Amino acid sequence: RKEVEQDPGPFNVPEGATVAFNCTYSNSASQSFFWYRQDCRKEPKLLMSVYSSGNEDGRFTAQLNRASQYISLLIRDSKLSDSATYLCVVNKGTGRRALTFGSGTRLQVQP
Amino acid sequence: NAGVTQTPKFQVLKTGQSMTLQCAQDMNHNSMYWYRQDPGMGLRLIYYSASEGTTDKGEVPNGYNVSRLNKREFSLRLESAAPSQTSVYFCASSSEGQVQPQHFGDGTRLSIL
Repeated sequence: RKEVEQDPGPFNVPEGATVAFNCTYSNSASQSFFWYRQDCRKEPKLLMSVYSSGNEDGRFTAQLNRASQYISLLIRDSKLSDSATYLCVVNKGTGRRALTFGSGTRLQVQP
Repeated sequence: NAGVTQTPKFQVLKTGQSMTLQCAQDMNHNSMYWYRQDPGMGLRLIYYSASEGTTDKGEVPNGYNVSRLNKREFSLRLESAAPSQTSVYFCASSSEGQVQPQHFGDGTRLSIL
């Protein structure tokens, strides 16, 4: 089983739609969780951290379920510019460098 | 607005050749990282440097060496390139106290024939 698993997609949604991605992780000792965004053939960019109580940044909401070991990202009112691959990132709980990146979920927002 | 700068952006090597990928950041970050990204896989950490003068192995260090030349610069060297090292390489940096890399370079697309 992969340490971090994501549905690769693609998720094809119309503009204005709400879309949610899930990510599961295998290490119960993980303590830090993040979502990154990566455009085609570009570098990853940090989108947001994920906090235990859940957190929101504009149209983006991240949730963490420790009991079930999954993280979610909800995007409301999708824009064409949201089209990208979303990477789930989890630390191994053993040190600063010990991060595991998921292989990403691709989102395509259509006009 | 430079952030993290990587050179070169593209490179083709023959098996057995050596080369150094350069990375520099201008954000006064302490930590720097080298990752590789392969199709269908997440980014994998090759080497990490928590601060000037220190380096640590990541998940996939074999076949690579690194040098933290100063606070700004962190280079990655392939001593004898192999086709399995064909990949996209990203350098990243983060500030003190941050677990996650905050800024990535544009990447180097490396092909080994």
